[in-house]
Amino acid sequence: AQSVTQLDSQVPVFEEAPVELRCNYSSSVSVYLFWYVQYPNQGLQLLLKYLSGSTLVESINGFEAEFNKSQTSFHLRKPSVHISDTAEYFCAVRDNNAGNMLTFGGGTRLMVKP
Amino acid sequence: GAGVSQSPSNKVTEKGKDVELRCDPISGHTALYWYRQSLGQGLEFLIYFQGNSAPDKSGLPSDRFSAERTGGSVSTLTIQRTQQEDSAVYLCASSLGQGFGANVLTFGAGSRLTVL
Repeated sequence: AQSVTQLDSQVPVFEEAPVELRCNYSSSVSVYLFWYVQYPNQGLQLLLKYLSGSTLVESINGFEAEFNKSQTSFHLRKPSVHISDTAEYFCAVRDNNAGNMLTFGGGTRLMVKP
Repeated sequence: GAGVSQSPSNKVTEKGKDVELRCDPISGHTALYWYRQSLGQGLEFLIYFQGNSAPDKSGLPSDRFSAERTGGSVSTLTIQRTQQEDSAVYLCASSLGQGFGANVLTFGAGSRLTVL
């Protein structure tokens, strides 16, 4: 079965600093990859996704993630974070050989401090 | 509707009672998912409905959990004889059934269940 690991449960960072949230998944030939974000007291929202094509994908608010097949990773990065980026971030993987279930990681709480 | 609607938003119940949680997906979305989010944990898959196909129940933790989807739209998750470990936020999501849109889940705000 597919598994998704987010190594960091919490990441504190100062405003305007860069950040990387790590995500690794168990090996598979064909996967779709996602990052979802949950702002305080809100539901989960899709941040960005990799389905095919360029391995570097970007969101509208400055986040980017790169699909690395050899390392089975999909780390999320932002060069300069804002207070408003404080949220919980979930990495998710759909194994295209194992049905329609989306498997989520344990989440990483990003805490941006002034 | 415009988004995925879940009710109740909060439910407090006593151990041993049955609870029903409701999900109203986005109109036209044929796929519907239930996930559970426990404190400090990730999202745990429970069940998946796609159109008229048999649901994927592989994530249901015990036979106390069941779910139905009537008319391909509204879904109800039922937990019988609730236990304290059932306390969690139950999330519903829907998506298109096929194509790349099938990979974009829209989540509801969740139903927070507390079992005393």
